[in-house]
Amino acid sequence: GAVVSQHPSRVICKSGTSVKIECRSLDFQATTMFWYRQFPKQSLMLMATSNEGSKATYEQGVEKDKFLINHASLTLSTLTVTSAHPEDSSFYICSARDEGDTQYFGPGTRLTVL
Amino acid sequence: QKEVEQNSGPLSVPEGAIASLNCTYSDRGSQSFFWYRQYSGKSPELIMFIYSNGDKEDGRFTAQLNKASQYVSLLIRDSQPSDSATYLCAVKLYISNTGKLIFGQGTTLQVKP
Repeated sequence: GAVVSQHPSRVICKSGTSVKIECRSLDFQATTMFWYRQFPKQSLMLMATSNEGSKATYEQGVEKDKFLINHASLTLSTLTVTSAHPEDSSFYICSARDEGDTQYFGPGTRLTVL
Repeated sequence: QKEVEQNSGPLSVPEGAIASLNCTYSDRGSQSFFWYRQYSGKSPELIMFIYSNGDKEDGRFTAQLNKASQYVSLLIRDSQPSDSATYLCAVKLYISNTGKLIFGQGTTLQVKP
């Protein structure tokens, strides 16, 4: 199956700092990538859809100025959590869509904001 | 009515039994259906996808799709303790041109030795 990587896998930061998370499709080109957030014992929540070369589409209730998404190439999308606060602590997961509409997930990034 | 519904469980089966996981969806025009497995603390991993009515088998897993009833299921034969996880059903809406998937809440499966 297709492989999607995420970096870093875990990050701890102080309140007010910004954190960048990278998502890469390693063996296929992904015109569309997705960013999800998951709180403990809750279901996946889609934050935004990222298309290569265009602005991301954010889901209702997700602040686009706080969660900056850049999809600079067919294999790389980044999510930057700006001015992070403790309530932003969560498990952030990206996925990449192949030509057949299948989404492959990255391993996730666990963010802890102190 | 939620777009994709699953029983949250937990569904408990003994080792070696068949586990049956069910999912219903509301968008009659949906064409693509996916099953993912998510272990606690990990990200989802794809088990299989199905597009056509009927059964699709892959090893111990069988996906079943009935578009008339708007129902998709996953059967796990010879269940193992390592199959204990949350199983997510996902549906691509007919109108979606980005491939956005709608996920169910997930069913927690417990396979007891």
